[in-house]
Amino acid sequence: EAGVTQFPSHSVIEKGQTVTLRCDPISGHDNLYWYRRVMGKEIKFLLHFVKESKQDESGMPNNRFLAERTGGTYSTLKVQPAELEDSGVYFCASSQGAGKAFFGQGTRLTVV
Amino acid sequence: RKEVEQDPGPFNVPEGATVAFNCTYSNSASQSFFWYRQDCRKEPKLLMSVYSSGNEDGRFTAQLNRASQYISLLIRDSKLSDSATYLCVVNPWGSNYKLTFGKGTLLTVNP
Repeated sequence: EAGVTQFPSHSVIEKGQTVTLRCDPISGHDNLYWYRRVMGKEIKFLLHFVKESKQDESGMPNNRFLAERTGGTYSTLKVQPAELEDSGVYFCASSQGAGKAFFGQGTRLTVV
Repeated sequence: RKEVEQDPGPFNVPEGATVAFNCTYSNSASQSFFWYRQDCRKEPKLLMSVYSSGNEDGRFTAQLNRASQYISLLIRDSKLSDSATYLCVVNPWGSNYKLTFGKGTLLTVNP
């Protein structure tokens, strides 16, 4: 069975540009989460989808971040315009109900 | 005060050693507790859940003290393959929703 897949694995963009990260959860997992690790800090929750609905987006840093999950399958996280402090590793995770969450390998975003 | 605090590490131990990781959490309403393992440039993977009665999985033993808001992980007879960052994770909701991570403690097991 395929795990959580994220694309791209790495992205280097200039400040002010737009980047879109994609996450494909494990098939059948209704819950999808985005997390972020900024260098030197702990992994932090960004938001949670149940199917296509945002259940909690309290961790989103600001309105430059937009997450979508149209159709309740894959999700995208767009950063527009990117700032230097957005650099970090963005992890996606999925779970079925209250079960174990499986993480993707992450997208390493570098804003220069 | 950080929500989850761990030993800063790093820990360097020889093969076969016993190593203990400590973690404290600030939210007394936390319901679920976990230890995750993260290899370099990889994703976090669940190592084990932590239960009030304590639990063991092979060489790994996890303990929880709710009164002290303290969690521990003990690794016995450490192997080279145990080298990784160990993340203490708590959750107030009793599920995998909105996990709160510690910064992690890097363990290197040396031959």
